[in-house]
Parts: sequence; C-alpha cells; structure tokens
Amino acid sequence: ETGVTQTPRHLVMGMTNKKSLKCEQHLGHNAMYWYKQSAKKPLELMFVYNFKEQTENNSVPSRFSPECPNSSHLFLHLHTLQPEDSALYLCASSHTSGFLYEQYFGPGTRLTVT
Amino acid sequence: AQKVTQAQTEISVVEKEDVTLDCVYETRDTTYYLFWYKQPPSGELVFLIRRNSFDEQNEISGRYSWNFQKSTSSFNFTITASQVVDSAVYFCALSVRAGNNRKLIWGLGTSLAVNP
Repeated sequence: ETGVTQTPRHLVMGMTNKKSLKCEQHLGHNAMYWYKQSAKKPLELMFVYNFKEQTENNSVPSRFSPECPNSSHLFLHLHTLQPEDSALYLCASSHTSGFLYEQYFGPGTRLTVT
Repeated sequence: AQKVTQAQTEISVVEKEDVTLDCVYETRDTTYYLFWYKQPPSGELVFLIRRNSFDEQNEISGRYSWNFQKSTSSFNFTITASQVVDSAVYFCALSVRAGNNRKLIWGLGTSLAVNP
C-alpha cells in the first residue's frame, strides 16, 4: 500500500449505531488530519494530530471521537450521529503539522446517516 | 478578513482548449502560503503546487502553469490543451497565521468538466 488509505470507502449507519473510520498513511509523516467535506461548503478541518498528540479540535461535537495510536494510524469513532453528519470524511497526512507544507489525502469515506 | 475566493463554480470546456481557474485571496499576513489541489471523482485531494508569498515566479509543470500576482492577490491556475482526465474539482487554499499557529483557508472549489 502506498500513500494514504481509508476504510471503509462507504458507510451507511443509523443514528443509534457506533462505527469507526480508519486511516493509515505509508508516507512516514508525523501529522494526521480529519476533514469533513460537505456540498457547497469549504473543507472543514475537524482534528489535527502531531506525533500522536491532538493539537487541534475545531469545536467538533463529542459524537465524533478521534484516536491516534501512532503516527501512521488515525481513527474516527462515530456514535449517535445526526443526518447532517452525512458527508465525505477525508483523512490527510503531512510531514509536520502547521499548514506550512502540502498534505496528502486519502480517498475518503462517504458516510450516510439514516 | 482572511479568505479565498474561487469565483468560478463550474467550467465546461472541450478537449484541447486552454482553461484558467481563478483564485483570489485576502490576508493581512506578509508571510503566507498558497496551494492548489485537484479532487478527481475518486475522492482524494491531490496536491499540485505550494507557493510562498515571497516567491512570485510563475511556475510551469507540463500542461499546468500558475500565475502568482501579489499586486492583485491572485494565484491563478492554467491548464493548457486540456484533456478529459483533467476533469475534477480544483481547490485553492491559503495558509495564514492564527495566533501562535497557522490555519488553512480553503476556497469552495471550481468544478472543471473537459468534454471530448
């Protein structure tokens, strides 16, 4: 595997379900990110991890819970979601955090909350 | 205000036409960074270019070229002799200071359709 991978690619879940999104980067980067992409809105940064430590949480509701066990893996745990949480969730990585350098993105998980 | 404006929501061209995607930004910072990304239908954003505010040289990479003009706060992207594979959504982004850190401000993207 190369680059940034995400699983699953598609996910349909009910509002009472619990699920997790997984991201893995094979680039040797130290920073990882979760973004939410909704139609007609700018890309929304959710969380930033640098060397496994969370450095940013952009006022994301607690029903989204990130986990970064090491610099290569990032999870987003989902529970009690709302229909408005339906979106494309993108994971990215970069050499370091701080938005000085380019990010490398995974293909995303298309989430539908019913 | 600090923002990125991509005024063209959708562009449709015929293969082999040249096309320019506009990006206009606003910032008070003197040191900032500009990026272009491509998002094909497969979903992942693909990094195209990074430019810092002190480097106003235009860049050419194959059929892609970028025109950075600080005087008009623009960082426009031109595809020469477009191809169907260029069909994608293109995003411009601006990295600026946010307190002791930095933040990345994204444009809404321009959807480019290249028709055969």
